[in-house]
Amino acid sequence: AQSVTQLGSHVSVSEGALVLLRCNYSSSVPPYLFWYVQYPNQGLQLLLKYTSAATLVKGINGFEAEFKKSETSFHLTKPSAHMSDAAEYFCAVSPGGNQGGKLIFGQGTELSVKP
Amino acid sequence: EPEVTQTPSHQVTQMGQEVILRCVPISNHLYFYWYRQILGQKVEFLVSFYNNEISEKSEIFDDQFSVERPDGSNFTLKIRSTKLEDSAMYFCASGGGSHAEQFFGPGTRLTVL
Repeated sequence: AQSVTQLGSHVSVSEGALVLLRCNYSSSVPPYLFWYVQYPNQGLQLLLKYTSAATLVKGINGFEAEFKKSETSFHLTKPSAHMSDAAEYFCAVSPGGNQGGKLIFGQGTELSVKP
Repeated sequence: EPEVTQTPSHQVTQMGQEVILRCVPISNHLYFYWYRQILGQKVEFLVSFYNNEISEKSEIFDDQFSVERPDGSNFTLKIRSTKLEDSAMYFCASGGGSHAEQFFGPGTRLTVL
C-alpha cells in the first residue's frame, strides 16, 4: 500500500535560515509526488510537483524538492526562510501518477519562523 | 486565475441532520474529489468522481455519504445523517488529469453538535 511519512510534526527555524522538511514515501509503482502548503484558515496550495522528469523540482516562493528514488524521499528545502513561510506543509503521493487518481497525504509539518 | 470555490465556509448542524456541501470546480476539469481533514490530523481522501460516476471511494465514504454533479458546474457532497465524528474540514478538489495535479478549494468547516 502506498503511504507518506513526514518526519517532524513541527519544525522551527530562524528567519534567513535553511528550511528542510522531510518526506518519505512508499509506493509499489513509480509515484508522482507533491508538496502542498496550507496557510491558516485557507485551503491547500500546490508548491511543487515531481512527475518523473527532472529529479530536482523548483516550486513557488523559492522552495524546491529533490526526488531520491534510492532513499524513497522527496524532501522540501528553501535556502532562506521568510516570516511569510510559516504554515503547514503536506507531502502527498499519487501512486503511479494515473490520471484522476487520489492523493495520499502525510501527516503534515507545521513550520514556524522566528524573527 | 481559475479556482475551486466552496460554500458554505462554515456549517453547523445537529447530529442526525442532513448536510450538503457545495463546490464549484475549475470549469474545464474532468476529475473531482472530496477530502476531509479532522482537526489536527492529516488530509484524507473520501471519493473521486469522473464521467458522472464515482471512480474510487475510501472506507470512510460509507452509505451515509453521496456525491452528485447536478449540473455542469456544481459538485456536491451529501451526508445523510451526520455524526459527531463527521466534524472536520471538507475540501473539494478538481483536476484536469495532467500529471495527477489537483487544485483545492478553501474548504468547508463542518461542526456537528
